[in-house]
Amino acid sequence: QVQLQESASGLVMPSQTLSVTCAVSGDSVTNGFYSWSWIRQPPGKGLEWIGYIYQSGDTYYNPSLKSRLTISLDRSNNQFSLKLTSVTAADTAVYYCARGPVLGDLQYFDSWGQGTLVTVSS
Amino acid sequence: SSELTQPPSVSVSPGQTASITCSGDKLGNQFASWYQQKSGQPPVLVIYQDSKRPSGIPERFSGSNSGNTATLTISGTQAMDEADYYCQAWDSPIIVFGGGTKLTVL
Repeated sequence: QVQLQESASGLVMPSQTLSVTCAVSGDSVTNGFYSWSWIRQPPGKGLEWIGYIYQSGDTYYNPSLKSRLTISLDRSNNQFSLKLTSVTAADTAVYYCARGPVLGDLQYFDSWGQGTLVTVSS
Repeated sequence: SSELTQPPSVSVSPGQTASITCSGDKLGNQFASWYQQKSGQPPVLVIYQDSKRPSGIPERFSGSNSGNTATLTISGTQAMDEADYYCQAWDSPIIVFGGGTKLTVL
């Protein structure tokens, strides 16, 4: 049974960089059958896809965030990370990591972390 | 489909059938997935590949997708099904979520 656990600093200053890490257990981030994703949810609002990474290191980002976003793999520690630069209050959200089966023309999320709230405020 | 539209809310009486729709341009040409999210919890996958149920999801959850609309159907709705529901599709390589529907079991 795969488990995903997010960790992050809970408070980030405006214009600074937001960093979140997802520790994976019960599976490997080098498993080629899955992609590893980030999704966020502002308080009281819906889900927003941020981006995902394959075991190859190939990444795909939400076009609205692409210029500020980096997703990376840490194979030695079996985790993946998100960095979002130049943050504003609009980036305040619960950040979820998730695993997605790689099935050709199908992409969905079969396992999610519990989420971590990141607040952007001075 | 770059944008998915869901009704903000749906109400259903216990034991009745609830239907939640998700509309998007040519959505029927893609695969739709559905997630259930209860308050303060992460989303849970309830339907993938239009109509398949993951292990552990009750049979009362079913899905369909045709034309421009995917539909999540909950038969014999129970109080425990009260939650927010999100549809999701993959417009390669972009992933899109619907805005979410709050299901109220009255």
